Amino acid sequence: SQQGEEDPQALSIQEGENATMNCSYKTSINNLQWYRQNSGRGLVHLILIRSNEREKHSGRLRVTLDTSKKSSSLLITASRAADTASYFCATDELNDYKLSFGAGTTVTVRA
Amino acid sequence: DGGITQSPKYLFRKEGQNVTLSCEQNLNHDAMYWYRQDPGQGLRLIYYSQIVNDFQKGDIAEGYSVSREKKESFPLTVTSAQKNPTAFYLCASSIDGGQGKLFFGSGTQLSVL
Repeated sequence: SQQGEEDPQALSIQEGENATMNCSYKTSINNLQWYRQNSGRGLVHLILIRSNEREKHSGRLRVTLDTSKKSSSLLITASRAADTASYFCATDELNDYKLSFGAGTTVTVRA
Repeated sequence: DGGITQSPKYLFRKEGQNVTLSCEQNLNHDAMYWYRQDPGQGLRLIYYSQIVNDFQKGDIAEGYSVSREKKESFPLTVTSAQKNPTAFYLCASSIDGGQGKLFFGSGTQLSVL
């Protein structure tokens, strides 16, 4: 079952701008993860945030988690052409070890 | 060079034919997964295995079969019962099948002739 839902579906920005995308989910979770997928390739893990954490940083990435609203956001700062990809959130429900992925946000960074 | 290797990259299936997608990992991970991705959609779980000789159905297991005879290998067979097999198939592994991160292969694109 797909629990996560990303918004927007697609995003086009200029190089150097920030990109923000959101993920909403339905049930209580242990962790929330973000992955990136370049066209025709496998997914690459970006960041994992636990349910008791509110914010996490990794390089130019900033992830927030609001468990009361069942939502998360991924911010990419100072975007580059190489950030062009699809970004997926994935959640694992309590007492369940399977990850559920959303449909993703496609980000295009224009030079 | 550790990682997950999927083969072939492209595969074509004739009607009524079974085809097998290969997935091998040298990460010494216990858990392995198969996902299906349709254009513009997220990943849907087909089968997963948390330990050798054991596997469970995911959300869309009908028309698929797997085996886990070795820790390193988790092949997926798309049977003739799968009427809409055209999709991008992704194999993944994780250290212990818990809530940690997944490592993905580069995928196999399956198309119907």
